[in-house]
Amino acid sequence: AQTVTQSQPEMSVQEAETVTLSCTYDTSESDYYLFWYKQPPSRQMILVIRQEAYKQQNATENRFSVNFQKAAKSFSLKISDSQLGDAAMYFCAYTDTGRRALTFGSGTRLQVQP
Amino acid sequence: GAGVSQSPSNKVTEKGKDVELRCDPISGHTALYWYRQSLGQGLEFLIYFQGNSAPDKSGLPSDRFSAERTGGSVSTLTIQRTQQEDSAVYLCASSLDGAAGNTIYFGEGSWLTVV
Repeated sequence: AQTVTQSQPEMSVQEAETVTLSCTYDTSESDYYLFWYKQPPSRQMILVIRQEAYKQQNATENRFSVNFQKAAKSFSLKISDSQLGDAAMYFCAYTDTGRRALTFGSGTRLQVQP
Repeated sequence: GAGVSQSPSNKVTEKGKDVELRCDPISGHTALYWYRQSLGQGLEFLIYFQGNSAPDKSGLPSDRFSAERTGGSVSTLTIQRTQQEDSAVYLCASSLDGAAGNTIYFGEGSWLTVV
C-alpha cells in the first residue's frame, strides 16, 4: 500500500526567510502524482503545488517550489520569502492512476514569526 | 456554486444518535470524495463517487457509515449510532472527472462532536 510520511510535526520560520518541509512516500507504481496542500484555520484544504512523477523538472508556483527526488521517493516543499499568511498545516499527498483518492501524510504545522 | 459547500459547519450530537452530513460539489464535477480528519491528524479516505460507477467504499471504517450521491451531484454521509470516536472533521471534495492528476477541491468541512 502507498504511504506518505511527514517527519516534521512542527516547523517555525522567520518572516521573509526560507523554510523546507519534508515528505517521503512509498509506492511501487511508476506513474503517480504528488501534491502539497495547505490547511489554514478555516479548515479548507488549498492546493499549493503539484508534481507529476514522469516530469523530471521540479514544479514551481511563485514562492513555492518542490525538490522531487524520484529515486529517493522524496518530495520536499520549499517556501521562499515566508509571509505571515503562510502559517498553516501543510499536507503532502499522493495518488496514482489506479487509485483516485489522495493518500495524505500526517501534516506539518508551520509557524511564521514576525 | 463557486466551491464545494458542506453543511452543517458544526454538529454536536449525543452518542447513539444518527447524523447526516451534506456535500454540494462544484457544478460539473463528476468525482466526489469524503475524508475524515481527526484532531491533529491527517486525512483518512472514506468513500469516492465517480459518475454513475459503483462507489469505492474501501475507506469506510464500519457498517455504521454510509454515503449516497443522488443525481450525480449532492452527497450525504450518514453515520448511524454515533460513537465518541466518530468525533472529527468530515471533509468533502470534488474534482472534474476523477483523473489522477486533476486538482481536488475541498470544502470547509463539517465538525462533528459526539458527546
